Amino acid sequence: EVQLVESGGGLVQPGRSLRLSCTASGVTFGDHVMSWIRQAPGKGLEWVGLIRSKAFDGTAEYAASVKGRFTITRDDSKSIAYLQMDSLQIEDTAVYYCTSVLVWFGELFRAHYGMDVWGQGTTVTVSS
Amino acid sequence: DIQMTQSPSSLSASVGDRVTITCRASQSISNYLNWYQQKPGKAPKLLIYATSTFPSGVPSRFSGSGSGTDFTLTISSLQPEDFGTYYCQQAYSTPLTFGGGTKVEIK
Repeated sequence: EVQLVESGGGLVQPGRSLRLSCTASGVTFGDHVMSWIRQAPGKGLEWVGLIRSKAFDGTAEYAASVKGRFTITRDDSKSIAYLQMDSLQIEDTAVYYCTSVLVWFGELFRAHYGMDVWGQGTTVTVSS
Repeated sequence: DIQMTQSPSSLSASVGDRVTITCRASQSISNYLNWYQQKPGKAPKLLIYATSTFPSGVPSRFSGSGSGTDFTLTISSLQPEDFGTYYCQQAYSTPLTFGGGTKVEIK
């Protein structure tokens, strides 16, 4: 059974940094695209970004709201995905979920994504 | 970015009722539409992907349909455990975007 466990959340002041980790088990981690989704208190879901597997060039993509401040990386030898969050803002306050990503291919061999396994989430609070 | 709009934002229905939730995309997304169920205090769960394909373990009372810009999630006979918030998500292109959610309450 695939399990994802996030860690690293907490209270941080605006402008500071935080790194979240997502540890996977029960899966060949290196084969999977991984994603981060966040949910602000009382709000809906927001995609933060994803990182492709090395087989699909290992590149990352980001939402406009975090691009240039957040970085997703992966360590396949440890089955861990990371979310490095810099220059944190109050509006980054949310529960952050790590997910594995279901990938399928459509027209023109274009990849399409769904978040199929979710961690339990870790809370990040940005406040002075 | 592709905007996703869900309706209604909330609904209350009785056990056994047929429930329909609508999701509209701001441009055509073919059939690249996913649905999630989230219960209070829990992580979301993938319910349907590619409009009408089910991951294993999803009850058959759930169904999805649509194409282009308009999609529906139907629960054919609402059960007590179906309470929660349902989100659609377009899988056509990045950035991936979600609808605002539909909260389902049991009368």
